[in-house]
Amino acid sequence: QLQLQESGPGLVKPSETLSLICTVSGGFISSSSFYWGWIRQPPGKGLEWIGSIYYNGSAYYNPSLKSRVTMSLDTSRSQFSLKATSVTAADTAVYYCARDRQATTGTHLFDYWGQGTLVTVSS
Amino acid sequence: SYELTQPPSVSVSPGQTASITCSGNKLGDKYASWYQQKPGQSPVLVIYQDKNRPSGIPERFSGANSGNTATLTISGTQAMDEADYYCQAWDSSTYVFGTGTKVTVL
Repeated sequence: QLQLQESGPGLVKPSETLSLICTVSGGFISSSSFYWGWIRQPPGKGLEWIGSIYYNGSAYYNPSLKSRVTMSLDTSRSQFSLKATSVTAADTAVYYCARDRQATTGTHLFDYWGQGTLVTVSS
Repeated sequence: SYELTQPPSVSVSPGQTASITCSGNKLGDKYASWYQQKPGQSPVLVIYQDKNRPSGIPERFSGANSGNTATLTISGTQAMDEADYYCQAWDSSTYVFGTGTKVTVL
């Protein structure tokens, strides 16, 4: 059974960089069949896609966040990561990592999710 | 940017049918997925490619998508179905989530 687990600081100061890691177990992060994504959810609000990364390191991002976020992949550790610079209180959210399943048929979905980690931006 | 709009809330009596709509421009030309999220938990995929159920999802969950509206239907709603539901589509190389609907089983 595929499992994903987010880790990282729960508190980040305004203007600093948010850094999170997702560790994947029970599956191959280097599989060419899947992407790996980050989604966030501010307290009491809806879901927002942040970005997704492929096994070869190519990534694409939500245009609204693209200027501040970077994703990377470490296949040797079965991990992928998220960095967001210049954070503000608006970046306070539960951050989820998930497996991003895409197909030439037009399928785009997230079929496995981590438990999520709350990141609070505050001084 | 593309937007998906859902009603904020839907109420249903146990055993009855709940229908949740998701509206977006020409949504019927895209695939819609649906996620269930219970309080304090991660989202769970319940419908993909408009009408398909992942393994382990009860048959009472069904979906349809046509025109500008995708619909998630829960037949014979149970108390355990009380949750937030989000639709999701793919547009211009971007994932878009709906605004979310809280389903209350009265």
